[in-house]
Amino acid sequence: DTGVSQNPRHKITKRGQNVTFRCDPISEHNRLYWYRQTLGQGPEFLTYFQNEAQLEKSRLLSDRFSAERPKGSFSTLEIQRTEQGDSAMYLCASSRTENYGYTFGSGTRLTVV
Amino acid sequence: RKEVEQDPGPFNVPEGATVAFNCTYSNSASQSFFWYRQDCRKEPKLLMSVYSSGNEDGRFTAQLNRASQYISLLIRDSKLSDSATYLCVVNWSSNTGKLIFGQGTTLQVKP
Repeated sequence: DTGVSQNPRHKITKRGQNVTFRCDPISEHNRLYWYRQTLGQGPEFLTYFQNEAQLEKSRLLSDRFSAERPKGSFSTLEIQRTEQGDSAMYLCASSRTENYGYTFGSGTRLTVV
Repeated sequence: RKEVEQDPGPFNVPEGATVAFNCTYSNSASQSFFWYRQDCRKEPKLLMSVYSSGNEDGRFTAQLNRASQYISLLIRDSKLSDSATYLCVVNWSSNTGKLIFGQGTTLQVKP
């Protein structure tokens, strides 16, 4: 069990650029979640995968955001045409079943300048 | 009404003090409840699950009141290392396991 791995740890990008983040969940976990956290707030749900199927998306996930989990293993989160309001910590988590808490990765901190 | 509400604090307490955090949630269908701990600029980590009968883990005690949709966390004999943000977390959907997080309550334990 190597934990949940996220890359990169930090990303600084100019407004209008596209960015992509990667998450590698714990290998036996079939559920994968993306959250966004800004300073002073708790994590906000973005989207959820069970295996390769994206089963739920938050209204926070505008059409500039897309997430994939092509083979039910790692996942990517892409933000197109970044805006300053996208600056946040993007957290990935995985779990084995619906009744257990998550294991989070260390997050990707995005700064849009 | 927020889905999960917590007093953000901060709670400033001396070492050795007992401190309690409370949380309310709006979804009466929620089935699973947790407390997470988050250190500054780190990811949240599961502190403990919260069971209907109440549960204890060392100096930490969690309570659930389903009728009032209320969750609490009690920390006894506070240590400097307990300084962190404590997130109240509710399982919003029994199908997806989606967790909804409160804003968090900040605890500062002073020497």
